[in-house]
Amino acid sequence: SQQGEEDPQALSIQEGENATMNCSYKTSINNLQWYRQNSGRGLVHLILIRSNEREKHSGRLRVTLDTSKKSSSLLITASRAADTASYFCATDPNSGGSNYKLTFGKGTLLTVNP
Amino acid sequence: NAGVTQTPKFQVLKTGQSMTLQCAQDMNHEYMSWYRQDPGMGLRLIHYSVGAGITDQGEVPNGYNVSRSTTEDFPLRLLSAAPSQTSVYFCASRGDYGEKLFFGSGTQLSVL
Repeated sequence: SQQGEEDPQALSIQEGENATMNCSYKTSINNLQWYRQNSGRGLVHLILIRSNEREKHSGRLRVTLDTSKKSSSLLITASRAADTASYFCATDPNSGGSNYKLTFGKGTLLTVNP
Repeated sequence: NAGVTQTPKFQVLKTGQSMTLQCAQDMNHEYMSWYRQDPGMGLRLIHYSVGAGITDQGEVPNGYNVSRSTTEDFPLRLLSAAPSQTSVYFCASRGDYGEKLFFGSGTQLSVL
């Protein structure tokens, strides 16, 4: 069963605007990761945030994590047409063992219009 | 490094046929896994392996077999293909102390 759920399912913005995607999950986690998938390609890891972290930055990406609300957000600032892709959150459940079952959400399709 | 390599990229099968999807990685990763991606469903874990000779089931293992005889290779076998197995299949690997997955480019499978 899906652990993470992204919101919105689709997002269309203009180049230069910021894009915010949200992820909600159900059980406690070790970490939460965001991946990007360009059309017809495999997923590429973007950023990881651990359960004891609240915010993390990487270039134009900013990720926040609220474990009390079981939610995360991914902010892409100053978006570019090349950011057009599907974005997935993935949760590593805190099941007491190693993280062998990374669970993905259904994704947000981001379209950045030139 | 080539990373994670999947073959074939496209495949069409008839119901009942068998086939093997190949996955190889050259990063000496112990952990390898197979996911399927269906429209509106995201990615779902089929099987995974934490090293040669060790495999375990994921969320949707029925209809699929795996084995891991070497660190590099992790093939996925469909013994008797069904239309419900029409999907895009991704192989992914991860290093011993890493947490992020490295994905292959996928195999698009259609079962008629």
